[in-house]
Amino acid sequence: ETGVTQSPTHLIKTRGQQVTLRCSSQSGHNTVSWYQQALGQGPQFIFQYYREEENGRGNFPPRFSGLQFPNYSSELNVNALELDDSALYLCASSFPTGPDTQYFGPGTRLTVL
Amino acid sequence: GQNIDQPTEMTATEGAIVQINCTYQTSGFNGLFWYQQHAGEAPTFLSYNVLDGLEEKGRFSSFLSRSKGYSYLLLKELQMKDSASYLCAALGNDYKLSFGAGTTVTVRA
Repeated sequence: ETGVTQSPTHLIKTRGQQVTLRCSSQSGHNTVSWYQQALGQGPQFIFQYYREEENGRGNFPPRFSGLQFPNYSSELNVNALELDDSALYLCASSFPTGPDTQYFGPGTRLTVL
Repeated sequence: GQNIDQPTEMTATEGAIVQINCTYQTSGFNGLFWYQQHAGEAPTFLSYNVLDGLEEKGRFSSFLSRSKGYSYLLLKELQMKDSASYLCAALGNDYKLSFGAGTTVTVRA
């Protein structure tokens, strides 16, 4: 196990709803990255947080937003859910600005009906 | 942008060797990662290469050629538990990971 935890494990929502996913990083890591992984695909980078500031963003619309807290835990918020948002959402923690390995949490499986 | 290519599927027999190739095109390059992902689980770190050459770690080895934008993961003495998806990921100039779609390896008895 990596020490990265995520909650909830599974979630079912309907279109138009909002969802908040949570991640606690590995001890000592102050950078958290979020990824969306659709079935049969590799993870797609959503954004990264370093010391409570967004530190890079992938090709996702503004309805995907996030927060990082002083203890380096993080949230991913998705508004106005769409069917295509159904995926495994992964967070990964690491040290910043370097080729340090990213360690992944177990993920949250989101189903949008 | 980033472009990571790897084969979709590979099948091999228990005890055999399998080589998973990955080619990448990235905006800058700060290393190449391989992750293993079992169905429904999170990716787990296997290897990291930033210099050309072969890195060996037990039954798994990873190779990198920066000039060719090419890497491979070599799995030796395959075991049934090695059946999984193997993800190639390149670290760009911005230190963000770009993943390939993954190669599903099936190990048959």
